Amino acid sequence: DAGITQSPRHKVTETGTPVTLRCHQTENHRYMYWYRQDPGHGLRLIHYSYGVKDTDKGEVSDGYSVSRSKTEDFLLTLESATSSQTSVYFCAISDSGLAGQETQYFGPGTRLLVL
Amino acid sequence: GQNIDQPTEMTATEGAIVQINCTYQTSGFNGLFWYQQHAGEAPTFLSYNVLDGLEEKGRFSSFLSRSKGYSYLLLKELQMKDSASYLCAVKENTGFQKLVFGTGTRLLVSP
Repeated sequence: DAGITQSPRHKVTETGTPVTLRCHQTENHRYMYWYRQDPGHGLRLIHYSYGVKDTDKGEVSDGYSVSRSKTEDFLLTLESATSSQTSVYFCAISDSGLAGQETQYFGPGTRLLVL
Repeated sequence: GQNIDQPTEMTATEGAIVQINCTYQTSGFNGLFWYQQHAGEAPTFLSYNVLDGLEEKGRFSSFLSRSKGYSYLLLKELQMKDSASYLCAVKENTGFQKLVFGTGTRLLVSP
């Protein structure tokens, strides 16, 4: 299994508060991704990173920001949490940005409930 | 844009064979992945197809027809532990290669 951890694994917060989720990898992979998974929508890309300090938006980036100051850490911040951001958040990594059959490996997920 | 369709749910019996279909319409197609996801867990990689044809990997096989925008995952000799969701994901090459996921097919294997 790829060495990916996410913290916290579960979080309950209130509307309007900032929340930061952390993804940590020990694989030295260049690419890191944040997804959210909701019933009826599948996995949707929030933001991704293609190197230290290099990030870009995915399809559902509104209300989220990211930072990557080290290869091994990718942080996802909900600037002011809303109930619509209640979801399961997965971090993923890949070595070469999906060249060839390079695949993405997923972390265990973070369950976030915004009340 | 992209559109990926999979059946929402399927049921099958232990020891049987089941085929999970995935159809897609997407720009810049550059391969198709299948992932398995048990309830409450992370998706795990099963297979990858980029050329037409069948890829076999033990009890699991995956087929791709690029001209028809169609793939299927075939699971043989079903076991109870195969009860999970199966996610079809298309790799798009639109500047940055990214995965676009279907909503997944929940498979229930009964004794």
